Amino acid sequence: GAGVSQSPSNKVTEKGKDVELRCDPISGHTALYWYRQSLGQGLEFLIYFQGNSAPDKSGLPSDRFSAERTGGSVSTLTIQRTQQEDSAVYLCASRGMAGGWQEHFGPGTRLTVL
Amino acid sequence: GDSVTQMEGPVTLSEEACLTINCTYTATGYPSLFWYVQYPGEGLQLLLKATKADDKGSNKGFEATYRKETTSFHLEKGSVQVSDSAVYFCALTPLPRGGSEKLVFGKGTKLTVNP
Repeated sequence: GAGVSQSPSNKVTEKGKDVELRCDPISGHTALYWYRQSLGQGLEFLIYFQGNSAPDKSGLPSDRFSAERTGGSVSTLTIQRTQQEDSAVYLCASRGMAGGWQEHFGPGTRLTVL
Repeated sequence: GDSVTQMEGPVTLSEEACLTINCTYTATGYPSLFWYVQYPGEGLQLLLKATKADDKGSNKGFEATYRKETTSFHLEKGSVQVSDSAVYFCALTPLPRGGSEKLVFGKGTKLTVNP
């Protein structure tokens, strides 16, 4: 498909476990973003990639959160030692010439930490 | 830092009623302004945008005007439909888009339209 895809769509994990969330951006999009959507907090920026580098990581809430992007394409958001407050929907967006330099959002991964 | 404040919901209207969702912003420089919509079970979609003062963005019968003097970007629709039921987010990005490049969102307003 031509859109941003994310996997898994739902993830249930136990407190203390590590999780990996994947984002496949639109082909050719150089910019990639992760956001978190939680009740009461709205949509919060986590990290921005330009190519494989991350010039803005200011939204990562703690050092348990990390992300990488390889080949200027797929990105993985990793949360170590998950806590209940990490429960949220994690959204990925990509942006590039194809699409008019406007963000295109994926469907999100709903993370539930028990 | 940059921020967006939008009216808290939920908002419940009857079909064909008028809608206004207020949005104000705080930003250095001259941001671009957006309204995004999230329909039930779907991803976030761009509804409309405006990139400079006095611009009016419009789409699907919705419109919003970039008011620099009042730092506002209120979303309006003259006659809502049941299919407009969704969560609406006001957002901004700084211009020029250097540095953080991020979208700054309001907390969202849930709209329910009843037949």
